Amino acid sequence: EVQLVESGGGLVQPGRSLKLSCAASGFTFSNYYMAWVRQAPKKGLEWVATISTSGSRTYYPDSVKGRFTISRDNAKSSLYLQMNSLKSEDTATYYCARQLGAPFAYWGQGTLVTVSS
Amino acid sequence: DIQMTQSPASLSASLGETVSIECLASEDIYNNLAWYQQKPGKSPQLLIYYASSLQDGVPSRFSGSGSGTQYSLKINSLESEDAATYFCLQDSEYPWTFGGGTKLELK
Repeated sequence: EVQLVESGGGLVQPGRSLKLSCAASGFTFSNYYMAWVRQAPKKGLEWVATISTSGSRTYYPDSVKGRFTISRDNAKSSLYLQMNSLKSEDTATYYCARQLGAPFAYWGQGTLVTVSS
Repeated sequence: DIQMTQSPASLSASLGETVSIECLASEDIYNNLAWYQQKPGKSPQLLIYYASSLQDGVPSRFSGSGSGTQYSLKINSLESEDAATYFCLQDSEYPWTFGGGTKLELK
C-alpha cells in the first residue's frame, strides 16, 4: 500500500524558515517524480514544487521560486521542502504527492504551516 | 502560465441526478487534464487523468471528456458520498495549475 506521511509543519514567524519532510513507503520511491502541493485555509490547490527521480531537476512556480527548495533522499525514501523567507500567504496545508504517471495519484494527509507573528 | 477556469463554483443537485463540471484552459493542453475530488478535512483523490482515463477504484459513474481547451467531468446517478469539492488540474506544462474548484452539494 502506497503511503506518504508528511511532518514538520507548525507555527513560524514571517521571514523565518521551516523544513517539511515526507516519508514514502509501499512503492519504489526512486522511480517516481515527487511533488509538494499546498492548500490555503478554505482555498483551492496550488502546485508548489516537483523533483525528478534523481533530484537533478526541480520545478517551481514563481510564487515560491528562490525561497523554497525541494529535495529528496532516495536511500531513505524521503522527500523534503525547505521553505525560507516565509510570508503570511504561505500559510497552508502542505501535501506530498507522487507525480509520475497519473498526476498526483497518491497524496499524504498533509501538514499545516502557519506563518504568523 | 496556463489559466484554468472552472465552472460552476458551486452546484446543488439531487440524489440520482447527473451533473457536469467544466474546465476551460487558456490554451491547448492536449488532454493533459486531471480531475480530483476532495472531501472536508481529507486529501484530494484522483478521479480522472489524461482527460478521460478513470483512475483505478473510481466508480464508473464518473467520466471525463474534452479536448483542446475545454474539458468536463460528468457524474451520473449522484450518490450521497459524491458531496465534495472537485478540482481540475492541467499537467501539460509547468507551472501546473488547478481550477478554482466546484463545491457539489446534495439536496
